[in-house]
Amino acid sequence: DVKVTQSSRYLVKRTGEKVFLECVQDMDHENMFWYRQDPGLGLRLIYFSYDVKMKEKGDIPEGYSVSREKKERFSLILESASTNQTSMYLCASSTRALAPGNTIYFGEGSWLTVV
Amino acid sequence: GNSVTQMEGPVTLSEEAFLTINCTYTATGYPSLFWYVQYPGEGLQLLLKATKADDKGSNKGFEATYRKETTSFHLEKGSVQVSDSAVYFCALSDRDAGNMLTFGGGTRLMVKP
Repeated sequence: DVKVTQSSRYLVKRTGEKVFLECVQDMDHENMFWYRQDPGLGLRLIYFSYDVKMKEKGDIPEGYSVSREKKERFSLILESASTNQTSMYLCASSTRALAPGNTIYFGEGSWLTVV
Repeated sequence: GNSVTQMEGPVTLSEEAFLTINCTYTATGYPSLFWYVQYPGEGLQLLLKATKADDKGSNKGFEATYRKETTSFHLEKGSVQVSDSAVYFCALSDRDAGNMLTFGGGTRLMVKP
């Protein structure tokens, strides 16, 4: 089975802190993604990466950065956490192949509360 | 751009009731369509998918048919169980948009015994 593992399920951070959310996948997938999930808004793409050291902005990149130094690992960084970044963060991965219906696999999510 | 619209929840049903969750989409290309499910405290899991018009995706008693003429992909189940209580997300991927997923807002389903 594909496994996408997010290092922290629940975090509480203070405003202004630097926050790292880590994600590891074990299927040698080229693509990795970070989404944010908020009630009524569905999932919104923050950043994605299609290769090591490559990154592309998603729909809501402001206030976030990412790092992909190894193929299996994709990190989301909040340089200076703010209360409006309190949310559920989901990591995902997929193969690069552009076949229709290409499946994306999700981690269990990280609940971040910024106080 | 691409978009997905789902009925707002929560949807509350009694066990063994019939379920329909509506989903409509707009897409510039020829998308693939998905339903994902999120059980409490978990990430999203692929429930079913369809990649071309008139395809029917099915899994765990759930079904959805890709209707190009009405740009819809409604999720149905004939008899829901308490264990089906979850949040359901409709999504599309479009090859013209690099196969990136676009999600609807999610619909929470609550099934009472």
